[in-house]
Amino acid sequence: NAGVMQNPRHLVRRRGQEARLRCSPMKGHSHVYWYRQLPEEGLKFMVYLQKENIIDESGMPKERFSAEFPKEGPSILRIQQVVRGDSAAYFCASSGGTGRFDEQYFGPGTRLTVT
Amino acid sequence: DAKTTQPTSMDCAEGRAANLPCNHSTISGNEYVYWYRQIHSQGPQYIIHGLKNNETNEMASLIITEDRKSSTLILPHATLRDTAVYYCIVRPQGAQKLVFGQGTRLTINP
Repeated sequence: NAGVMQNPRHLVRRRGQEARLRCSPMKGHSHVYWYRQLPEEGLKFMVYLQKENIIDESGMPKERFSAEFPKEGPSILRIQQVVRGDSAAYFCASSGGTGRFDEQYFGPGTRLTVT
Repeated sequence: DAKTTQPTSMDCAEGRAANLPCNHSTISGNEYVYWYRQIHSQGPQYIIHGLKNNETNEMASLIITEDRKSSTLILPHATLRDTAVYYCIVRPQGAQKLVFGQGTRLTINP
């Protein structure tokens, strides 16, 4: 049973470019979460999605960041016009959404470096 | 969200029990206590959760005080691979997101 998959594992972008981070949830999971971990800091929630719907985006920066989870395919976190401050590890988690407090399973993360 | 307080760092000898404390004095009656850990540069890993009864699984035990204001995560026989940052999280009812604090950096020494 494959776990949560993220790719790429490492991504280097120049300032002003776009970054696309992909997350495939565990088999059977329909809930996806994105978290960001800045260097030497804790993880911060960004956005929670179900298939084709954004449920909670309270942690998303207001500009340049967007997320989607289409009916088919992985969830995508998109960062437009990246800046050096976007350099961080981005983790995706998934859950089955079957219980009130179902566990979230995390992927290995994508490490974004903006040069 | 209820806040949690954890020691910044702890050390434990390999083979001994590691006891990680967490204070959550403002916890509400319907909030669960969750524990996750993050081994260097990896994604966080779920360990255990509980409401008011003590819980045990193959990874750890969770002891919650009767007043629910604090809890302790116990790794019964720590190994070097248990070296990680351990996060104690209080999860509000109905909330899907996890709110991570700074956690405890546990180092297991040979």
